[in-house]
Amino acid sequence: DIQMAQSPSSLSASVGDRVTITCRASQGISNHLAWFQQKPGKAPKSLIYAASSLQSGVPSKFSGSGSGTDFTLTISTLQPEDFATYYCQQYKNFPWTFGQGTKVEIK
Amino acid sequence: EVQLVESGGGLVQPGRSLRLSCTASGFTFGDYAMSWLRQAPGKGLEWVGFIRSKDHGGTTEYAASVKGRFTISRDDSKSIAYLQMNSLKTEDTAVYYCTRDLLILGPTGYYYYMDVWGRGTAVTVSS
Repeated sequence: DIQMAQSPSSLSASVGDRVTITCRASQGISNHLAWFQQKPGKAPKSLIYAASSLQSGVPSKFSGSGSGTDFTLTISTLQPEDFATYYCQQYKNFPWTFGQGTKVEIK
Repeated sequence: EVQLVESGGGLVQPGRSLRLSCTASGFTFGDYAMSWLRQAPGKGLEWVGFIRSKDHGGTTEYAASVKGRFTISRDDSKSIAYLQMNSLKTEDTAVYYCTRDLLILGPTGYYYYMDVWGRGTAVTVSS
């Protein structure tokens, strides 16, 4: 199975900050990577697929990059509604696997 | 509006069975693959299984943790995907989500990714 490792596991940031989350795959996955946002008590929401393609309706402050084993999710200007947990996920091979999540908290 | 609604969750004893349903609306259900995922209390996301559309064989994939106990099926006439869970264990306690899976062309072939999620249904396995 492909293991996904996210860092950091949590971070504190202020409104207006630029935030970057990294995700590393245990083997090359090309660009077959998605990012999801989950707020407490809510279902996850799709943000990005194919490492850098924005899901329809997702604001452009979210961006993704990377290929192979190393990926990043960037939130350009953090807003109050962006405080949530973010997960990366590979869909190159079954079983699909997720990173452990990164909780973005208010500083 | 594209929507997925899970139902059928509840409290069940270890060793018993439960069937979850995922009712879709707002899109042509039969054209899409579907997945089930779960999230144990306070934990991260875990993919459970997947079913292809009938046009792509209607075949299934499962996580090792549920293979042989869980079965995914679909009724395209009703726009419903099912998750049949047998021989339930306490570690199956989780919120279960279904997703619509979009087929996209990548650099090395066709792949699926999860673009729409339902709100989830809670399953508690306890005596």
